[in-house]
Amino acid sequence: DAGVIQSPRHEVTEMGQEVTLRCKPISGHNSLFWYRQTMMRGLELLIYFNNNVPIDDSGMPEDRFSAKMPNASFSTLKIQPSEPRDSAVYFCASSAYRDRVLFQFFGPGTRLTVL
Amino acid sequence: QKEVEQNSGPLSVPEGAIASLNCTYSDRGSQSFFWYRQYSGKSPELIMFIYSNGDKEDGRFTAQLNKASQYVSLLIRDSQPSDSATYLCAVNMVGSNSGYALNFGKGTSLLVTP
Repeated sequence: DAGVIQSPRHEVTEMGQEVTLRCKPISGHNSLFWYRQTMMRGLELLIYFNNNVPIDDSGMPEDRFSAKMPNASFSTLKIQPSEPRDSAVYFCASSAYRDRVLFQFFGPGTRLTVL
Repeated sequence: QKEVEQNSGPLSVPEGAIASLNCTYSDRGSQSFFWYRQYSGKSPELIMFIYSNGDKEDGRFTAQLNKASQYVSLLIRDSQPSDSATYLCAVNMVGSNSGYALNFGKGTSLLVTP
């Protein structure tokens, strides 16, 4: 199994530019999560989807952030316009139930630097 | 605000000792509890889960759960330098909007010294 795939692994951009992060969940997993991790705030849940439908986007910091999941095998997180305070590691995770326990697995992350 | 609390550390233990990592949670409705290990510059990796009161052992790892005290812990026996990492406690949130999401603590940094 390939695991959760994220691209790009590193992104350096200038303030005001649009950034798009991509994620391919594990095949057969029906929930997908976007997290942001910083030293100060730890791991924060931004948004999650169940069966491609956004369930909870209360963690999205502001309207500059948007996420889509057009099909079961692909999701994007877009920041437009980007700001230096958006610099963080962004993780995508997918999950599935097994024996009534929800198991969640993370992708390798995208390290975003906004100059 | 439903919270998961962990001491940030660092927790320093000598090689071969038992490392004890602790976590408390505020939501009494929580059902499943997970421990993730995160090496520096890497993504969190699931290493243990527990959902019944008591102990669950897997190799050198033991997870302990006490729902009455809202307390979950991870014991690492015969600690090795390769166990040095940040350990994240995660709790399955239960609620109308987040029945499928995990609530993470900020993690405890563990350093095992040779």
